[in-house]
Amino acid sequence: AAGVIQSPRHLIKEKRETATLKCYPIPRHDTVYWYQQGPGQDPQFLISFYEKMQSDKGSIPDRFSAQQFSDYHSELNMSSLELGDSALYFCASSFSPPGTANYGYTFGSGTRLTVV
Amino acid sequence: AQKVTQAQTEISVVEKEDVTLDCVYETRDTTYYLFWYKQPPSGELVFLIRRNSFDEQNEISGRYSWNFQKSTSSFNFTITASQVVDSAVYFCALSEGDSSYKLIFGSGTRLLVRP
Repeated sequence: AAGVIQSPRHLIKEKRETATLKCYPIPRHDTVYWYQQGPGQDPQFLISFYEKMQSDKGSIPDRFSAQQFSDYHSELNMSSLELGDSALYFCASSFSPPGTANYGYTFGSGTRLTVV
Repeated sequence: AQKVTQAQTEISVVEKEDVTLDCVYETRDTTYYLFWYKQPPSGELVFLIRRNSFDEQNEISGRYSWNFQKSTSSFNFTITASQVVDSAVYFCALSEGDSSYKLIFGSGTRLLVRP
């Protein structure tokens, strides 16, 4: 079965550089979520999109932006990178509210960003 | 405000022992969803179970079982006859019936199963 695809798997950037992470949701899933997981931490919600419109926003720095495109893939753009941005970034996708039988809240394998 | 508490930071057991991971949640919503995810050392988040707030039926899947009790706001996870491959960090998560269904995670419990 198709899964959530994230690219790249690993990324090394220097401070003050820009990074772009990509996410390809499961086909027909209408919602995409981005999470950030620092070392030894639990995943923290950043932002979500429903049908290409931003639906919710968490503790996402102003240096970060995201969008969902017409083909439903999403990109997380991070500028002026700081050492503290080093983390595992997960994308997840879902279809229909969680209460329905066909609901699936599936995570991608993550992108490990290292800022040096 | 919603919150998930996993009081057990780390648990160490010997293979074949049973182990229960605790999860306590807080929410003001009457409709919500609870999840358990496994995160092995490789880092991916593996979905284990989703439970709706209106379905308190316990569930068993192989060596895994879940006990959902709304009266105590708990959603505990038991692994029977643990195996070394069960070693991982386990996260409990809550999603409320709001517009985005974002997940609020607990801090995770690191399970180490020793041979």
